Amino acid sequence: AQTVTQSQPEMSVQEAETVTLSCTYDTSESDYYLFWYKQPPSRQMILVIRQEAYKQQNATENRFSVNFQKAAKSFSLKISDSQLGDAAMYFCAYRSPTGTASKLTFGTGTRLQVTL
Amino acid sequence: EAQVTQNPRYLITVTGKKLTVTCSQNMNHEYMSWYRQDPGLGLRQIYYSMNVEVTDKGDVPEGYKVSRKEKRNFPLILESPSPNQTSLYFCASRWQGANIQYFGAGTRLSVL
Repeated sequence: AQTVTQSQPEMSVQEAETVTLSCTYDTSESDYYLFWYKQPPSRQMILVIRQEAYKQQNATENRFSVNFQKAAKSFSLKISDSQLGDAAMYFCAYRSPTGTASKLTFGTGTRLQVTL
Repeated sequence: EAQVTQNPRYLITVTGKKLTVTCSQNMNHEYMSWYRQDPGLGLRQIYYSMNVEVTDKGDVPEGYKVSRKEKRNFPLILESPSPNQTSLYFCASRWQGANIQYFGAGTRLSVL
């Protein structure tokens, strides 16, 4: 079974600075999908960014980018120019292309605090 | 507007009193899932459905039931709730050819 590990329960960043959230995963599959979700105090799950394992190029969405290291099974999220609205819980998630077709395996989350 | 709608958003109940949390999506998605979120554990899948009348267990199915009689609806049933089912619950759906899951707004359940 796949597992996802987020080793940083909490992180803090100053406004306008850059922060990197770590995520590692364990899998024997060669093809899969990785995601970062943001959960603000409203509890809504918001997709931040996604990466297909077969793509070598790191995904980027505005101020959010990933560092995908397939061999190391690492999928970190970089937030540039941090804003107060980035304060939230961030979850890393894995999805297999086969088997339980819709299952996302989540990490335990990293709570990001943004300070002035 | 494309959305996944869960009801109720908040629910306080007592041990043993049957309850149903409804989930409805308006995107004609084949795949639907239920997750529970607990502190320090992230989200874990309870049940999922790949289409009408096709359901299967996820990682933590004990104490829950689901049904998929219509494509748009996927209710979560707790026939005899217990305090360890106090949690935040999410419904999610996805089109079979797409990569993105759409989540409902969550249901905060407290079982006393």
